[in-house]
Amino acid sequence: NAGVMQNPRHLVRRRGQEARLRCSPMKGHSHVYWYRQLPEEGLKFMVYLQKENIIDESGMPKERFSAEFPKEGPSILRIQQVVRGDSAAYFCASPAGPGANVLTFGAGSRLTVL
Amino acid sequence: AQSVTQLDSQVPVFEEAPVELRCNYSSSVSVYLFWYVQYPNQGLQLLLKYLSGSTLVKGINGFEAEFNKSQTSFHLRKPSVHISDTAEYFCAVSDIDSSASKIIFGSGTRLSIRP
Repeated sequence: NAGVMQNPRHLVRRRGQEARLRCSPMKGHSHVYWYRQLPEEGLKFMVYLQKENIIDESGMPKERFSAEFPKEGPSILRIQQVVRGDSAAYFCASPAGPGANVLTFGAGSRLTVL
Repeated sequence: AQSVTQLDSQVPVFEEAPVELRCNYSSSVSVYLFWYVQYPNQGLQLLLKYLSGSTLVKGINGFEAEFNKSQTSFHLRKPSVHISDTAEYFCAVSDIDSSASKIIFGSGTRLSIRP
């Protein structure tokens, strides 16, 4: 069991470019959560996806951010036209087991916008 | 809506001293409660969780937490800390009612251990 895999671990983008962050949940799991951690802050929920479905996107910024989890392949968090305020660590998590809402987190993707 | 408050953003303690990291939550429904630890440049790891049953929960690395429903608190404690406990600690809450429920995190408490 390889756990939750995220890549890239570090990503540097210039303002206006696009950032794509990928997450593969634990083997056999079909749900992922994305969280954002701004510098010196806690984790903020962004979106919860099941394969081919967005379950809850109440934490997603209204513009420039999107997420998907296709039938095949990893979940992708996409940020268009990045700005400096998007610099943060983005964590993906998948439920560790049924029912209890315990999450297993990936190591995170750290986005730096120059 | 649920919320989690960690009043202390930083807690410095001496090695081998006891520590308590405070967490209060608010919710209109029954909840699950969690403490996660984040070591530098790593993801979050589950320390312990309260789902039901005994209000005193024991976790990894000698940590424990006590669920107090009347005070809506879930404080984390360790009787004797070690340098390796230096990390950021996050309290979290989720709605017991829905399997699709998101987990809400507090803003974190940075524990620094002095030799």
